[in-house]
Amino acid sequence: AQSVTQPDIHITVSEGASLELRCNYSYGATPYLFWYVQSPGQGLQLLLKYFSGDTLVQGIKGFEAEFKRSQSSFNLRKPSVHWSDAAEYFCAVGARSNTGKLIFGQGTTLQVKP
Amino acid sequence: EAGVAQSPRYKIIEKRQSVAFWCNPISGHATLYWYQQILGQGPKLLIQFQNNGVVDDSQLPKDRFSAERLKGVDSTLKIQPAKLEDSAVYLCASSRTDTSTDTQYFGPGTRLTVL
Repeated sequence: AQSVTQPDIHITVSEGASLELRCNYSYGATPYLFWYVQSPGQGLQLLLKYFSGDTLVQGIKGFEAEFKRSQSSFNLRKPSVHWSDAAEYFCAVGARSNTGKLIFGQGTTLQVKP
Repeated sequence: EAGVAQSPRYKIIEKRQSVAFWCNPISGHATLYWYQQILGQGPKLLIQFQNNGVVDDSQLPKDRFSAERLKGVDSTLKIQPAKLEDSAVYLCASSRTDTSTDTQYFGPGTRLTVL
């Protein structure tokens, strides 16, 4: 069965520092992978997605993620965090069959210190 | 382009009462999803519609939850009767088609508290 694990429930970084949020997935083949961000009181917004090809994908707001098949990981990174990046981040996996169904991880809450 | 609209934004009810949530997807989007997000967890798919037909309702507790999308546009999710464990945020999302590569756009959600 598909599953997504985000090992870090809560992360605190200083403004201007680099960020890496971890995501590990379990799937029988190469899945579709997504990162979403959820600000308080808001719906989820797609940051980036990986379907195939280049394993380093660029997203919005300066985020990037790298797909590593050997490690079953899809970690999210940002070189310099801004205070507005404080939010909850969700990694999700989708099946390659045409169902659209997403399986989400439990999320990582990012706190940014001034 | 207007986003996914949901109402109400907040709802507080007593257990065993009934409640309904409404969702209006982005215009032209054929696929509509309802997710349940319990505090501290990621969203979990409850039901997926393609136009007005159900594609996946495998995780919908059908003894108390029901959903419809009669004209293939907006949708209603109902809980009757509610239990304490139904306290969660209910998110509606839509996408142009039901392919996994199509971006799902989420509404702001309805926060339900069952007392």
